[in-house]
Amino acid sequence: DVKVTQSSRYLVKRTGEKVFLECVQDMDHENMFWYRQDPGLGLRLIYFSYDVKMKEKGDIPEGYSVSREKKERFSLILESASTNQTSMYLCASSTESSGNTIYFGEGSWLTVV
Amino acid sequence: GQNIDQPTEMTATEGAIVQINCTYQTSGFNGLFWYQQHAGEAPTFLSYNVLDGLEEKGRFSSFLSRSKGYSYLLLKELQMKDSASYLCAVRVNTGGFKTIFGAGTRLFVKA
Repeated sequence: DVKVTQSSRYLVKRTGEKVFLECVQDMDHENMFWYRQDPGLGLRLIYFSYDVKMKEKGDIPEGYSVSREKKERFSLILESASTNQTSMYLCASSTESSGNTIYFGEGSWLTVV
Repeated sequence: GQNIDQPTEMTATEGAIVQINCTYQTSGFNGLFWYQQHAGEAPTFLSYNVLDGLEEKGRFSSFLSRSKGYSYLLLKELQMKDSASYLCAVRVNTGGFKTIFGAGTRLFVKA
């Protein structure tokens, strides 16, 4: 089974803090994604990556950055957390050979106070 | 722009059949997914359609019409555990592949 692991399930951070959300997948997938999910808005793509050291902006990249130094790890960074970034963050991975099915991690619930 | 529409909520009775519709307006269409998401959990894959027609997998079936920009998920013999959100997602190629999601349909199954 594909396993996508997110380092933190629940976090509470203060406004202005730098926040790191880590994600690791164990199936050698090329593609990795960060989404946020908010009530009524569904999943919105923040950033994605097709290869090591490669990143592409999704639909809502403002206020976020990412890092992919190793194939299995994709990190989401909030340089200066704000209250409107309170959300559930989902990491996902996929590969061409899996029919491009996206496999999700368990999610990280971030609250910014 | 890219847009995916699905009903916000639906209610159905245990043992019945329910159809959840999804319409999309996208460019670079490259396949449609359905995911199931229980409250507080991550989405899990249900089905994938890239050609027109019906794909059946046990109690769940998914249909696609690319010319109409339309899909539906059909759930048969509903069980209480089917109460969840169902997400319609479209894979698009806009110079690179990405998957965009609808807001989801919350299905309530009642006894």
